[in-house]
Amino acid sequence: DSGVTQTPKHLITATGQRVTLRCSPRSGDLSVYWYQQSLDQGLQFLIQYYNGEERAKGNILERFSAQQFPDLHSELNLSSLELGDSALYFCASSAQGENEKLFFGSGTQLSVL
Amino acid sequence: DAKTTQPTSMDCAEGRAANLPCNHSTISGNEYVYWYRQIHSQGPQYIIHGLKNNETNEMASLIITEDRKSSTLILPHATLRDTAVYYCIASGNTPLVFGKGTRLSVIA
Repeated sequence: DSGVTQTPKHLITATGQRVTLRCSPRSGDLSVYWYQQSLDQGLQFLIQYYNGEERAKGNILERFSAQQFPDLHSELNLSSLELGDSALYFCASSAQGENEKLFFGSGTQLSVL
Repeated sequence: DAKTTQPTSMDCAEGRAANLPCNHSTISGNEYVYWYRQIHSQGPQYIIHGLKNNETNEMASLIITEDRKSSTLILPHATLRDTAVYYCIASGNTPLVFGKGTRLSVIA
């Protein structure tokens, strides 16, 4: 158990819909990262937050947004969903000063039908 | 981040040492070498990292060549539960970029 909690584990929705994925980082970790893993693209970095502020942005679509709340949990919002958004979405957290030692959650499997 | 090159797949007999190579010939002085693994569709798991000295922890050993252009992850006694995709990443202070990794199959 990494200590990072992601909900829900599975999500099935239709094209055009909007969903929210939730992540609770390990206790004390200030950084939260979101990654997308699809069969053809591998693990893709989406976005990083540090103590409520956006720190780094990767290959995140404009239809996607994220935020980190004062209690440090984070949410990834995906809107106008397309079939190609079907993927595993992972959240990870890291301790201060250890930006590359990430602890990953078990992921949310999103299926867009 | 420096580009890394890993074999697509490897096999290892159960109980033997698994040696996973990684080439990072363009690594810069402030970039660390990180190893992660992903078992089936679980979240990636941190294994070990190092800068220029060899490192060992309860999971594995990391051997980095003196010129830092390549490294080897060693699992000393591989078990079936070590079957996974292993990612080698050379990174400075930026979010990690995962490549395709090496699919290690441990065979009974």
